[in-house]
Amino acid sequence: GAVVSQHPSRVICKSGTSVKIECRSLDFQATTMFWYRQFPKQSLMLMATSNEGSKATYEQGVEKDKFLINHASLTLSTLTVTSAHPEDSSFYICSARGSPGQANTGELFFGEGSRLTVL
Amino acid sequence: QKEVEQDPGPLSVPEGAIVSLNCTYSNSAFQYFMWYRQYSRKGPELLMYTYSSGNKEDGRFTAQVDKSSKYISLFIRDSQPSDSATYLCAMRGLSGGSNYKLTFGKGTLLTVNP
Repeated sequence: GAVVSQHPSRVICKSGTSVKIECRSLDFQATTMFWYRQFPKQSLMLMATSNEGSKATYEQGVEKDKFLINHASLTLSTLTVTSAHPEDSSFYICSARGSPGQANTGELFFGEGSRLTVL
Repeated sequence: QKEVEQDPGPLSVPEGAIVSLNCTYSNSAFQYFMWYRQYSRKGPELLMYTYSSGNKEDGRFTAQVDKSSKYISLFIRDSQPSDSATYLCAMRGLSGGSNYKLTFGKGTLLTVNP
């Protein structure tokens, strides 16, 4: 299957700093990428949908000024957690969907996740 | 009521057992159903993807969908220790665009003991 690479896999930062997480589709062009957040023993919660070249659509309750999403190209989306606080510590996972016309158009490919710890 | 309900377990079975994992949902707009496997500290991996009611088989895995009852299942035959993971059901509506976003169940933690 298609490969989605996420970096870094783990990051520890001090409270008040900003952290950027990258999500790349390695062997296909991703017109749409999704960013999820997962707390321990909890399900994936969708944070935002990002479409290449346009503004991200945020889910209710997600602060767009805190979680900045940029989808500047068909293979890269970034999530920046600004002014991180300990409550932002979580597992962040991106997923990508290819362009229409690919088989299994409902299929999303997930990155390996990025574990953020804010001290 | 949550849109998708999934028993979080944990579920512990001996090697070789048949495992049954289930989800119920309330939103009749959901048309596509998936099962993902997630190992600890990893991203989810797609196992099965179904649209129609009925059964779909892939190796040791069988996905079953009953839209009339809003109930989906994943069966694992001849379970192996390597099947130990969290299994997440996911579903979405028919339309494109933002409706490609998935709604996930909470996940069931499965342990297969050698």
